[in-house]
Amino acid sequence: GAVVSQHPSWVICKSGTSVKIECRSLDFQATTMFWYRQFPKQSLMLMATSNEGSKATYEQGVEKDKFLINHASLTLSTLTVTSAHPEDSSFYICSAPLRDYGYTFGSGTRLTVV
Amino acid sequence: DAKTTQPPSMDCAEGRAANLPCNHSTISGNEYVYWYRQIHSQGPQYIIHGLKNNETNEMASLIITEDRKSSTMILPPATLRDTAVYYCIVRVEGPGYALNFGKGTSLLVTP
Repeated sequence: GAVVSQHPSWVICKSGTSVKIECRSLDFQATTMFWYRQFPKQSLMLMATSNEGSKATYEQGVEKDKFLINHASLTLSTLTVTSAHPEDSSFYICSAPLRDYGYTFGSGTRLTVV
Repeated sequence: DAKTTQPPSMDCAEGRAANLPCNHSTISGNEYVYWYRQIHSQGPQYIIHGLKNNETNEMASLIITEDRKSSTMILPPATLRDTAVYYCIVRVEGPGYALNFGKGTSLLVTP
């Protein structure tokens, strides 16, 4: 089936540095990618929607200058957390809609900012 | 999107069917009912979806009431590996629409 490969699966970074998370669609083209964030014991919250070749659309309350999303090709979307702080520590997940129905999700990235 | 209501938690004995209810009383005619689950620290996994007819696949069955205001997803039978958070989501079908997750039901399958 259609798979989204997400990397890294976990990362620890120092406060003030930037971290890039990649999501690659395998065996299919993802014109759209959704990015979610999940804090402990909470549900997934949609952060932004990226479309290949155009600017991402951010949900209310999500800082677009802090969470940079790039969707330069039909198989790769990236999320860069810039100037990360401890409060950005979270589980980040990408998701791509499938042609027939449903959505496929990446395995998630556990970000810890120290 | 129509809002869904699920019990926050449920227990089920291994080998028994797990029946997870979902209320979606404000569902529109073109909205589908999707079920996903999330095992701890993993990305969500598709289970099943339907519009108005009952559906069955290799993972589960979905029973949607005639008025479409509620549904039940059945795991027959439940195994320990089915311990996860289960999300019932109502959404129009189409690639431009994201899934909006509620709080889901935390299912614990016990030996």
